[in-house]
Amino acid sequence: GQQVMQIPQYQHVQEGEDFTTYCNSSTTLSNIQWYKQRPGGHPVFLIQLVKSGEVKKQKRLTFQFGEAKKNSSLHITATQTTDVGTYFCLDTGTASKLTFGTGTRLQVTL
Amino acid sequence: DTGVSQNPRHKITKRGQNVTFRCDPISEHNRLYWYRQTLGQGPEFLTYFQNEAQLEKSRLLSDRFSAERPKGSFSTLEIQRTEQGDSAMYLCASSFGTGGYGYTFGSGTRLTVV
Repeated sequence: GQQVMQIPQYQHVQEGEDFTTYCNSSTTLSNIQWYKQRPGGHPVFLIQLVKSGEVKKQKRLTFQFGEAKKNSSLHITATQTTDVGTYFCLDTGTASKLTFGTGTRLQVTL
Repeated sequence: DTGVSQNPRHKITKRGQNVTFRCDPISEHNRLYWYRQTLGQGPEFLTYFQNEAQLEKSRLLSDRFSAERPKGSFSTLEIQRTEQGDSAMYLCASSFGTGGYGYTFGSGTRLTVV
């Protein structure tokens, strides 16, 4: 079955450093969505990528979809303590195959 | 409309008891999803409804689990004869159509089976 792996599993950065999480699939992804889950919270939708090679930006966040639609990345420039949480990618596919990635937990310290 | 509402927020039950959770989705959303999340893992798909029809169930959903959405509005998830392995956060999400604008999650129900 499909596996959606994210690397790294965990990253600890100093505030102001950059951060990147990668989402890799064993099969071609349909559309990719990214979510942020704060500690003790629930996933919150960030963005959707649809097209091969697509790049979208939201302030300090840059999202990219790979050319072959088998991978995606989320890059945060100059992290802040408010960026703390776990970032998940989601392959929307068909409803029954909504598959979340394994997640990357980000810790930011001053 | 303040988003997806789930209750209770926490439930502690003894092994073997039945529990029921409720989810009230965003009123305009016709699709409703149930997920289960354990600590350090991503949410796992359980089942989803389009309006009142349950269209898909994960193989994770054993015969002890049943979900309903009787009028296409709120949904309930019942677990019968709970086991310790059922301890998890149960998340509900809703979307309009196929979720192109994202899935809106509730705050979840944390189940602890003792």
